Amino acid sequence: QKEVEQNSGPLSVPEGAIASLNCTYSDRVSQSFFWYRQYSGKSPELIMSIYSNGDKEDGRFTAQLNKASQYVSLLIRDSQPSDSATYLCAVNKNTGNQFYFGTGTSLTVIP
Amino acid sequence: NAGVMQNPRHLVRRRGQEARLRCSPMKGHSHVYWYRQLPEEGLKFMVYLQKENIIDESGMPKERFSAEFPKEGPSILRIQQVVRGDSAAYFCASSPGPDRNYGYTFGSGTRLTVV
Repeated sequence: QKEVEQNSGPLSVPEGAIASLNCTYSDRVSQSFFWYRQYSGKSPELIMSIYSNGDKEDGRFTAQLNKASQYVSLLIRDSQPSDSATYLCAVNKNTGNQFYFGTGTSLTVIP
Repeated sequence: NAGVMQNPRHLVRRRGQEARLRCSPMKGHSHVYWYRQLPEEGLKFMVYLQKENIIDESGMPKERFSAEFPKEGPSILRIQQVVRGDSAAYFCASSPGPDRNYGYTFGSGTRLTVV
């Protein structure tokens, strides 16, 4: 079983719509959760972090965490073509020294 | 305040050659992490180093790969006798201490191509 699983997509949404990206993780001891955006040929860029159950909003981005269901999501409101990228979910467990990354979901925002 | 600096950005090596990847952490950071991203795969942890110490190398292949972070100078990831399967993007991140709860900032990466 993978530590972090994401639907690889591709996910396509029209400009202005809400994009919803999902991630599940396998280990209940997971402590902190992150969303990274990666444009093709570039390095991952941290866009959101969340540590406790509920929602966390930052501009057009909302991260949602449900530890009971071991589920993290990222909502992008008013999607723009510039949001077209691969979104990586990452999990930091209570033990060990590494982050565990999902394989990413490819998002395309259609003008 | 420059971010994490990696060089070279692109590296082409023939099979059997050595590849040497460099990472200079952000100013004031003494902890470095190396990750590898294979095509169509997620980022995979390789090694975590502090100045002059390897803290965790559980993600490093047992052979041909080594890493160091000397007291002075950048962290080096060395791959000896490269093979086609080593072709990947290698990313480095740094932190001021062991707390990772704030997330990583990655460098721009080195894209290694083995021909």
